[in-house]
Amino acid sequence: NAGVMQNPRHLVRRRGQEARLRCSPMKGHSHVYWYRQLPEEGLKFMVYLQKENIIDESGMPKERFSAEFPKEGPSILRIQQVVRGDSAAYFCASSPADRLPLHFGNGTRLTVT
Amino acid sequence: TQLLEQSPQFLSIQEGENLTVYCNSSSVFSSLQWYRQEPGEGPVLLVTVVTGGEVKKLKRLTFQFGDARKDSSLHITAAQPGDTGLYLCAGDNYGQNFVFGPGTRLSVLP
Repeated sequence: NAGVMQNPRHLVRRRGQEARLRCSPMKGHSHVYWYRQLPEEGLKFMVYLQKENIIDESGMPKERFSAEFPKEGPSILRIQQVVRGDSAAYFCASSPADRLPLHFGNGTRLTVT
Repeated sequence: TQLLEQSPQFLSIQEGENLTVYCNSSSVFSSLQWYRQEPGEGPVLLVTVVTGGEVKKLKRLTFQFGDARKDSSLHITAAQPGDTGLYLCAGDNYGQNFVFGPGTRLSVLP
């Protein structure tokens, strides 16, 4: 897990604020996936990105959520105007190519008050 | 939408017992992975199975992929407290994304 770095580990936001979650993939990995996990539940796919491209965003809400993976720098998951229902753990995973097993970070736990 | 089901949802056993957990789907996957997740951490990959009927062993853990590549099982022999965690299966949706099951939460009591 240490290879995929997510920050912050914990994030508290008030309703209406913006949350920005960062993910640095393992060295040499160009594929990034974002998943959301609620307590006592499994992982729900949100978005799959390669450098500068969104490949599959079928799991991401159409409003308020966006993701990017620029040529330089970490992948960012951005949630605008957060609501209490956005409270969850958000996990990032990376792989060196598509269809290879995923390596996960330790997640960002978002709490919306 | 492809779905993966896992059973049982919760399992509490004594140290030394054997157990099997299951991962089932009506869909075919090109490969299937098993992960273990501990509280406060991300999932850690245990194994990938690719070929229908494949069996892989990892110390006391035995993984099997169904002949039709729709289901899988994980068998643990002589469970230990260190095996406690959330066991997740994930199917490779032919390169589009990875679909996760809801997990089996295992507790091994000393």
